[in-house]
Amino acid sequence: RKEVEQDPGPFNVPEGATVAFNCTYSNSASQSFFWYRQDCRKEPKLLMSVYSSGNEDGRFTAQLNRASQYISLLIRDSKLSDSATYLCVVNANTNAGKSTFGDGTTLTVKP
Amino acid sequence: GAGVSQSPRYKVAKRGQDVALRCDPISGHVSLFWYQQALGQGPEFLTYFQNEAQLDKSGLPSDRFFAERPEGSVSTLKIQRTQQEDSAVYLCASSSTPGGTGYQPQHFGDGTRLSIL
Repeated sequence: RKEVEQDPGPFNVPEGATVAFNCTYSNSASQSFFWYRQDCRKEPKLLMSVYSSGNEDGRFTAQLNRASQYISLLIRDSKLSDSATYLCVVNANTNAGKSTFGDGTTLTVKP
Repeated sequence: GAGVSQSPRYKVAKRGQDVALRCDPISGHVSLFWYQQALGQGPEFLTYFQNEAQLDKSGLPSDRFFAERPEGSVSTLKIQRTQQEDSAVYLCASSSTPGGTGYQPQHFGDGTRLSIL
């Protein structure tokens, strides 16, 4: 079992749809969490950090459930430009520096 | 430039050759990371530097892989006696804080796409 697991998708949704991705992690000592976005043949770019209280950035909402060890990303009113692979990232401070990435969830938003 | 710079962007080598990949992190960033990304997968951690100290190299797949950051800035990932399974994108990232602490994200370079024939 991988340390960080994501549903690979693909998720194919129409413009304007709401879509949610989940990510589960196995290391209960994990301390910090992020969602990154990666476009085809490009580098990963930070989308948002995930805080215990949950956080929102425009159309994007991230939530963390420590008890169940999962992270979610909600995208509302999806745009064509949201089409990308979304990577869940987990840092465990006990392994200083090591970030563990999921394999990503691919989203395609269609007109 | 303001971002992480990697070179070369593309590298083709014959099996058995040695290759060296360079990473120039964001100025002042103390943490530097190397990742290997295979097609259709997320980046896999290789190694981590805090300034010039290599604090974690648990992800290096074999002793053919070697990384250094002698002056705490530019880093080089060297792969000796390359094998076909080494073909992947090698990503470098830097962060302003010591790795694993706080919520400081990693900033990635464009990567080096390595193909071993």
